[in-house]
Amino acid sequence: EVQLLESGGGLVQPGGSLRLSCTASGFTFGSYPMNWVRQAPGKGLEWVSGISSRASNTYYADSVKGRFTISRDNSKNTLYLQMNSLTAEDTAVYYCAKYRERWEPSEFDYWGQGTLVTVSS
Amino acid sequence: DIQMTQSPSSLSASVGDRVTITCRASQGISNYLAWFQQKPGKAPKSLIYAASSLQSGVPSKFSGSRSGTDFTLTISSLQPEDFATYYCQQYNSYPLTFGGGTKVEIK
Repeated sequence: EVQLLESGGGLVQPGGSLRLSCTASGFTFGSYPMNWVRQAPGKGLEWVSGISSRASNTYYADSVKGRFTISRDNSKNTLYLQMNSLTAEDTAVYYCAKYRERWEPSEFDYWGQGTLVTVSS
Repeated sequence: DIQMTQSPSSLSASVGDRVTITCRASQGISNYLAWFQQKPGKAPKSLIYAASSLQSGVPSKFSGSRSGTDFTLTISSLQPEDFATYYCQQYNSYPLTFGGGTKVEIK
């Protein structure tokens, strides 16, 4: 059974940093590109960032480019999102999502349960 | 960036109704369109990919179709567990973009 478990969310002050993790199981993690998608309170879904299976390619939404860094450790079956220079607009539930196919972009098939990031003083 | 315009933003329907949600892409995306269902406080669930293919385990009451840059999600007979918010998403190119969502409520 595919499982994606996010962690690392919490309360952070504006201008601060946070690193999210997504631990995967139930599939060959190193064979699949992965993504982060976020959802601000009461709002819709927003794609944040994606990374190829071997981390050779990374992709970012304009809203986070230069502030967020996506990475992965295939030996640990873990996806990361390093978030710097956080603002109130980054407050959201952050989901990791797996691509169904081994190329990118492709369709999502599995999502984690999400981790809440709150940026506030 | 490709804009995804979803309509309506909300609808009220009764159990047993046939429900249709539309999503329009601002440019051609071939069949690279997915639909998701999200219930309050829960993660999105993948329903349909490639405009009309059902994800494994998704009941056949859900169906998708395409006409040019217009895409449709249909629920053939609405059941209590189907009341949720539905999103479309294009994966033709980065940045991936979502529609604004359609909240399906009980009439």
